Order: sequence, then C-alpha cells, then structure tokens
Amino acid sequence: DGGITQSPKYLFRKEGQNVTLSCEQNLNHDAMYWYRQDPGQGLRLIYYSQIVNDFQKGDIAEGYSVSREKKESFPLTVTSAQKNPTAFYLCASSIEEAPATNEKLFFGSGTQLSVL
Amino acid sequence: QQPVQSPQAVILREGEDAVINCSSSKALYSVHWYRQKHGEAPVFLMILLKGGEQKGHEKISASFNEKKQQSSLYLTASQLSYSGTYFCGTRRGANNLFFGTGTRLTVIP
Repeated sequence: DGGITQSPKYLFRKEGQNVTLSCEQNLNHDAMYWYRQDPGQGLRLIYYSQIVNDFQKGDIAEGYSVSREKKESFPLTVTSAQKNPTAFYLCASSIEEAPATNEKLFFGSGTQLSVL
Repeated sequence: QQPVQSPQAVILREGEDAVINCSSSKALYSVHWYRQKHGEAPVFLMILLKGGEQKGHEKISASFNEKKQQSSLYLTASQLSYSGTYFCGTRRGANNLFFGTGTRLTVIP
C-alpha cells in the first residue's frame, strides 16, 4: 500500500538533546511538508520541500532543521534551540503539479514528541 | 494569514445537521477541508477552487464564496463517524496551505 510512514510514534527528548523524526513516502510525490500541531491549535508549517536537495522555511522554522537527500525521505531534526518542542508532528506530501492550487495533502500518522 | 474557523466546537445528536465556517482576510485561490480523528492523521475531504462551486462528498458538502473570502462545510444527517476535528486550509496562489485552528465536532447517539 502506498502511503507516508512516520516514526517513531512517541519520542522523548532530554534537555539539550537533538532528536530526529523520520518521514518516508512511497507515493512518488515531489513535495513534502512538516507541520506542528499543538492542542487546540491548527497545523503550523515548519519546513517544506518541493524537490530533492531543496527546502524552504515555513512559519515556525526556528529550532528545527531538515534535509531532503532522497525523494522519498524528509527527516526533521528538533534541535536544542527549540525551547518548547512538545507537540504532535505531522509529515505530509503532495503531487507537485500545475496548477498548484488543487493539490491535496496526504498525511502520516504523526509523532508525539515530549520533553523529559 | 491563518484562516478563522467557527464554531470552535459543536455537539450534535445523530441525524442533526451542522455548518462549519472558514474565513480569511486575504483573497483566496482555493480552500481545502480535512478531518482528523483524535491521535490520527488528517484525512482529505475536498478542495474548492475559485468560482463559487459547491462540492459534495456523500452527506458532506462545501461551498466557496471567493468574494467573501470564505468557505462553509455542511454536514447533513450526521453520523457517529463524523466526529473529529475539521480543519480548513487556505491557499493564496502557489503558496502553501495555512490551516485554521479547527472545529471539534462530536456526534452523540
């Protein structure tokens, strides 16, 4: 089955530690995204990538880093500079085609990150 | 740039109808609707493009009024399976989606 796989489902971070969230897709989608979700809030965009080896900051990129070395993989690193990392993190992908306005997002099942 | 959704929460009995609104202060090219069940990934419902079209998905439909920069999601004859948080996502041009804060819908027997 095609889809997006996020791992781990639950992750704990210690003070001063960097942690990496995995996101893999086998949908052959060009575009991938990372969203952060806090209780009672909408999804906020952290980073997105439209092609391999290229990515752009979203609205809340500070304290996060990404890489896009392969089309199917878009890992997110939560660095120690992110002072409030506890949240539910969602990875998504979409077919990058024109017109861009009618793309839909396919989401992974998320990773819950908590601080110890 | 985040759209505003209303109401924030609603409780329905099975068979009742509901309307969820999504509005933006900016001109919109498209509106997306997603539903998320607790602890799960958001699932795509529908996309509405400029032109004021109304789309349907079983007993869930939506409209998009580009002049008013708003969209409404209509749920008719609600079922228990409709429970979840509904998000609208708005896009202006080729930019990425900006999601609203969500509307929590609870359907009770």
